[in-house]
Amino acid sequence: AQSVTQPDIHITVSEGASLELRCNYSYGATPYLFWYVQSPGQGLQLLLKYFSGDTLVQGIKGFEAEFKRSQSSFNLRKPSVHWSDAAEYFCAVGTGNTGKLIFGQGTTLQVKP
Amino acid sequence: DVKVTQSSRYLVKRTGEKVFLECVQDMDHENMFWYRQDPGLGLRLIYFSYDVKMKEKGDIPEGYSVSREKKERFSLILESASTNQTSMYLCASTSPGQGVQETQYFGPGTRLLVL
Repeated sequence: AQSVTQPDIHITVSEGASLELRCNYSYGATPYLFWYVQSPGQGLQLLLKYFSGDTLVQGIKGFEAEFKRSQSSFNLRKPSVHWSDAAEYFCAVGTGNTGKLIFGQGTTLQVKP
Repeated sequence: DVKVTQSSRYLVKRTGEKVFLECVQDMDHENMFWYRQDPGLGLRLIYFSYDVKMKEKGDIPEGYSVSREKKERFSLILESASTNQTSMYLCASTSPGQGVQETQYFGPGTRLLVL
């Protein structure tokens, strides 16, 4: 069965430090992979997505993610975190052209001044 | 600009009440989704619809129904609200992919409290 695991429920980093959020998926075919961000009280906003091609994907707000098929991972990174990045981050795998998504449990990012 | 709107940001209802959550999208998308979001559980799919009057159960449909009479509008119905349905409800829409999976666009969410 398809699934997505985000091993870290909460992460705290200092402003200006680098960030990596982990995501592991289980899916039989080539996956469609997404990272969304949810600011407090808001809906989800797409950060980036991977369908095929270059395994390093650039997104909005300075985020990037790398697809590693051998590790079934799609980790999100940012070289220097800003206080405004404090939010909840969701990794998701797409199941086909119905547009259905399977989400991970989410990782809450706290940024220390 | 892409727009998915939900009728209420906050809602307080009593146990046993019938509750309607409305979602409207202006992108002419065929596919629409209802999720509930609970801490530690991420988003779980309740129902989705890939066309007017068409619906399919998601992972947690029990206690919910849906209605899609017009392409732009997708309603979630709690026939008899219970306290365990207190949650954040998120609506999303997307177009069917042509060999790829298109992005889902989300509304701001409705936080429902059932007393």
